[in-house]
Amino acid sequence: QQQVKQSPQSLIVQKGGISIINCAYENTAFDYFPWYQQFPGKGPALLIAIRPDVSEKKEGRFTISFNKSAKQFSLHIMDSQPGDSATYFCAASIGTASKLTFGTGTRLQVTL
Amino acid sequence: EAGVAQSPRYKIIEKRQSVAFWCNPISGHATLYWYQQILGQGPKLLIQFQNNGVVDDSQLPKDRFSAERLKGVDSTLKIQPAKLEDSAVYLCASSFGGNSPLHFGNGTRLTVT
Repeated sequence: QQQVKQSPQSLIVQKGGISIINCAYENTAFDYFPWYQQFPGKGPALLIAIRPDVSEKKEGRFTISFNKSAKQFSLHIMDSQPGDSATYFCAASIGTASKLTFGTGTRLQVTL
Repeated sequence: EAGVAQSPRYKIIEKRQSVAFWCNPISGHATLYWYQQILGQGPKLLIQFQNNGVVDDSQLPKDRFSAERLKGVDSTLKIQPAKLEDSAVYLCASSFGGNSPLHFGNGTRLTVT
């Protein structure tokens, strides 16, 4: 049962552009929404996370927007750089940051 | 701090053979997880340990998969016998527990032929 749907599957953005990845969840009990970045041959690394008591969280060039009523959240990467080329996973959990349900991933390629 | 260590990095076996993966979590991390990541998909939790006790193994195929965490530190995940559909990257992660974030290892890529 897929509880977190992620789109698009792949994304190509020019250097300096904005990358936007979207996720939707079904389980209204989820209360922690992290984004992970994964480079080839490496494990996922936590990028940024949000809880539903805020609608937006920004860390550097990365911003999470959260819409509780629509059960959606998204990752925005401003001023995208070639070094941002990776696979991005959204995830969700109940109660803690531990038992995560992941989306299917978005492969981002930032071109020169 | 040293990260989560996993070995081997790669393993190729034939179906019906057995295989074992090893994980050494970050020092002091009480919670340890094994995730399965099939190509093109997000990681899926197989089992979660708190110290040396199992917290959640609801998605572990117990007829062929087993895991242990002796002494609450290192952990091993075993598959016996392996099936073709077990081909995946097996990721180990650890955390202090509670709301602390997960730290993933680089995984073991298993190919079953």
